[in-house]
Amino acid sequence: DAKTTQPPSMDCAEGRAANLPCNHSTISGNEYVYWYRQIHSQGPQYIIHGLKNNETNEMASLIITEDRKSSTLILPHATLRDTAVYYCIVRPNRIKAAGNKLTFGGGTRVLVKP
Amino acid sequence: NAGVTQTPKFQVLKTGQSMTLQCAQDMNHNSMYWYRQDPGMGLRLIYYSASEGTTDKGEVPNGYNVSRLNKREFSLRLESAAPSQTSVYFCASSEARNRVVTSSNQPQHFGDGTRLSIL
Repeated sequence: DAKTTQPPSMDCAEGRAANLPCNHSTISGNEYVYWYRQIHSQGPQYIIHGLKNNETNEMASLIITEDRKSSTLILPHATLRDTAVYYCIVRPNRIKAAGNKLTFGGGTRVLVKP
Repeated sequence: NAGVTQTPKFQVLKTGQSMTLQCAQDMNHNSMYWYRQDPGMGLRLIYYSASEGTTDKGEVPNGYNVSRLNKREFSLRLESAAPSQTSVYFCASSEARNRVVTSSNQPQHFGDGTRLSIL
């Protein structure tokens, strides 16, 4: 899987948009960008994923640059409950089940402040 | 909708004791996984089950066994617990198109973990 680089931490004001960057300059053409988060004492939670087009769901938006070497996760209106560690992961589209594991790096520790 | 349920949530064992961690999912997923997470580290895959009736080793299988009891349930057993197995254990599940090849654009859904301490 391609390596990803994320800032170790960032703060965000409650009610404002949180923009979380991720660099994945070695991404291959068949690799998706995934975002998960882990709230303290809970299991990882899937947020969103995309290949090359921007994606939006009820939780967040994912903006992928045209060259696909970086992406940004946007939480449109951050709440205190969005305080968590956010992980950006790059994985191939179709893989044998033997390789279907998630590799979590250090992630970005996001603190939403009142 | 419960998703992935793990039991117990907490457990303390003595070295040498055995224990089975239970995991069940109600999303009709084919694939299930066991990970461990240690302080300051990411998740490491212990075992996985691509579909009912199959299990395979992940990155760190030593000291563990698994059973895919049915499509819903995937248990992790420590036969003789060691202090190095003190960790938080997460179970996850995901959909898969067939037993061999999975479309990895199927996200994994996680339980809330079992916090295991071995003295």
